[in-house]
This record gives sequence, structure tokens and C-alpha cells, in this order.
Amino acid sequence: DAKTTQPNSMESNEEEPVHLPCNHSTISGTDYIHWYRQLPSQGPEYVIHGLTSNVNNRMASLAIAEDRKSSTLILHRATLRDAAVYYCILRLPSNTGKLIFGQGTTLQVKP
Amino acid sequence: GAVVSQHPSWVICKSGTSVKIECRSLDFQATTMFWYRQFPKQSLMLMATSNEGSKATYEQGVEKDKFLINHASLTLSTLTVTSAHPEDSSFYICSALAGGPADTQYFGPGTRLTVL
Repeated sequence: DAKTTQPNSMESNEEEPVHLPCNHSTISGTDYIHWYRQLPSQGPEYVIHGLTSNVNNRMASLAIAEDRKSSTLILHRATLRDAAVYYCILRLPSNTGKLIFGQGTTLQVKP
Repeated sequence: GAVVSQHPSWVICKSGTSVKIECRSLDFQATTMFWYRQFPKQSLMLMATSNEGSKATYEQGVEKDKFLINHASLTLSTLTVTSAHPEDSSFYICSALAGGPADTQYFGPGTRLTVL
């Protein structure tokens, strides 16, 4: 399975943008890039996904490098409620929808 | 957005008893659901894939006779922890596959199991 690499932790100030990086150098052409986040004591929450083009939704933006070997989740204005563990996961079409979670990035947001 | 519920949200039981956890997709049908467990300060670990109308597929190292999974309808999957012991205490989370080319998963809120 293609793996992703994320920093263990990041800090941000409230109301500032946050860029969460993810490296996936062994990504295959059909892998979707998914981002989920998990708040303390809750199940993960879907954030965004993409294949090749940059994507925007109400929660975040996803910037995908042209060679697809890396991506960046962008929170445009961090709030205290965005403090969570963010997981970057490759969705492998061949493995029946399974998501394999890595350790993710713990985002701290300072007031 | 798609909503997945779990019941109960927490349960405390005595060692040796069995506990059933329900996972429901509330506003969509899911032929495939997944069960995860998560220990404190750790990431989610996939336990099994639950397919409607067929046997579950368990990940390596997960005891199928201890963690019974039933997916009897397109909106309900259950996980039964049989003869629970303290080491089974964990946060159990289910997810449902919403379909489409990206196969987005939507997760339940989790069930905290404490075995005394």
C-alpha cells in the first residue's frame, strides 16, 4: 500500500491560515487523496478528497502537487474547534474501500 | 452530509460478558461498513470489513470468533465483543462507505467500551 508521511504536530494561531502537508511519493495514478480529522473522543470526520485538481469545500481546500507526490490541506482561518488530528490517507481502488490510518498530524490552535 | 450513528456511545461491562455495538447509516444505504478500534493516544486500527449479506472480512490478527460482525441490512451492522476482558477496553468506531468513485467513508461517533 502506498504510504503517506505527515508531521507529527503543528501549531497555529487562531484566525490564521494553516497549511498541513502530506507526502505520498509512491502514489499510483488511480489513488484518491483523502483527508479526515478526528476531534478528541469522536469518530473521524471527512474533510475533503481529490485526485488531480485542487479542490475547495466549505471546510477546507486541498492543493495537490502537479506530480501528485504531495498535497496540502489548507484551513483558511483556523478556529479553536479545528484543533484535531488530521489524517492524510490514500484511497486505494483495489482494496475494497479500506482506509489505512497513519499517525496523522496533531494540530494545536492557540488563541 | 451522510450521517452514521452508533449505539451505545459508551458501555461498561463485567469481564466475561458479551457486548453488542450497533452502527447505522441514517440517510444512505451502505453495502460496506468497516469496524475500527482505537487505543488511547494511538491511531485507528482497522478490524474488519462488513459486507451486507455476506461474511465479514477480518484483518490479520483480529479474532473473528471474538469479534462477531453481522451486516443484515443496508443500513445496519453490528459488532459483538464476546466474552469481553479488560484488554478489550477500547474506543470502537464504525464507518460506512458512501460509494462513488472516491468511496468516501463516513464515521460514527464511536463507542467507548470499558470492561471491568
